[in-house]
Amino acid sequence: KAGVTQTPRYLIKTRGQQVTLSCSPISGHRSVSWYQQTPGQGLQFLFEYFSETQRNKGNFPGRFSGRQFSNSRSEMNVSTLELGDSALYLCASKWRLEGDTQYFGPGTRLTVL
Amino acid sequence: TQLLEQSPQFLSIQEGENLTVYCNSSSVFSSLQWYRQEPGEGPVLLVTVVTGGEVKKLKRLTFQFGDARKDSSLHITAAQPGDTGLYLCAGAGNYGQNFVFGPGTRLSVLP
Repeated sequence: KAGVTQTPRYLIKTRGQQVTLSCSPISGHRSVSWYQQTPGQGLQFLFEYFSETQRNKGNFPGRFSGRQFSNSRSEMNVSTLELGDSALYLCASKWRLEGDTQYFGPGTRLTVL
Repeated sequence: TQLLEQSPQFLSIQEGENLTVYCNSSSVFSSLQWYRQEPGEGPVLLVTVVTGGEVKKLKRLTFQFGDARKDSSLHITAAQPGDTGLYLCAGAGNYGQNFVFGPGTRLSVLP
C-alpha cells in the first residue's frame, strides 16, 4: 500500500504571495491532518479534515486554510506569506477520526524570501 | 490543554551505549506514539502503545507506557549510528481531539 504523498517537496516563495500544498493520504484513510514544523516551535497542529469537513483547528491565523476532497485528498493554502511561515509542512493520514495511529508524508519544505 | 514534555532535549552518545528517553505529561492519553524523524523527512512511526503498563519491543528498542497512561519511555540497547535522529512522542486524546506532540529528543550516535 502506498504511503502518504505530498507535493511539491520543495517550494520557494516571496513575502506576500500565496501557496497551495497538496497531500494524498494512504488509500482508505479518511482523516488528514496538517502540521507545521519549525526548529523553534517543533511540530504544531494546523487542522484536521475528515469526510471533507474540518474537525479540529490549531491556533494559527486565518491565512492558513485547507480543504479536503471526496477522494480524501487534501490541500492546504497559505495566503499573504510571511518570513515566519518558512517551515516543513507535514501531512498525516489515519483511518478514522478518533485517536488512532497516524502516518506522515515526507513533507513540503517551504521557504519564504 | 494537553502538553507533552520530553527529556533529554539533546543526547550524544558513543556507538554501543544504552540510553533512555522520556515523554511525560500531566494528562491522560488514550494512546501514545513514538516516531523517529531524519532531517528533511517526515516522522516515521515506530510504535503505538495503548494499554497502561504496556511494554513493546522492536529489535533493540523497548517502549513502555506508564500505568496511568501519562508517560512513556523509549530505551535503546547498544545504540548504532543508524539510530541517530529526532525522537518524537505524540499523545492521542479523546474522540475528536488532535494529536499532541512533544518537542522531541535529538539523538546523535557517534561511531
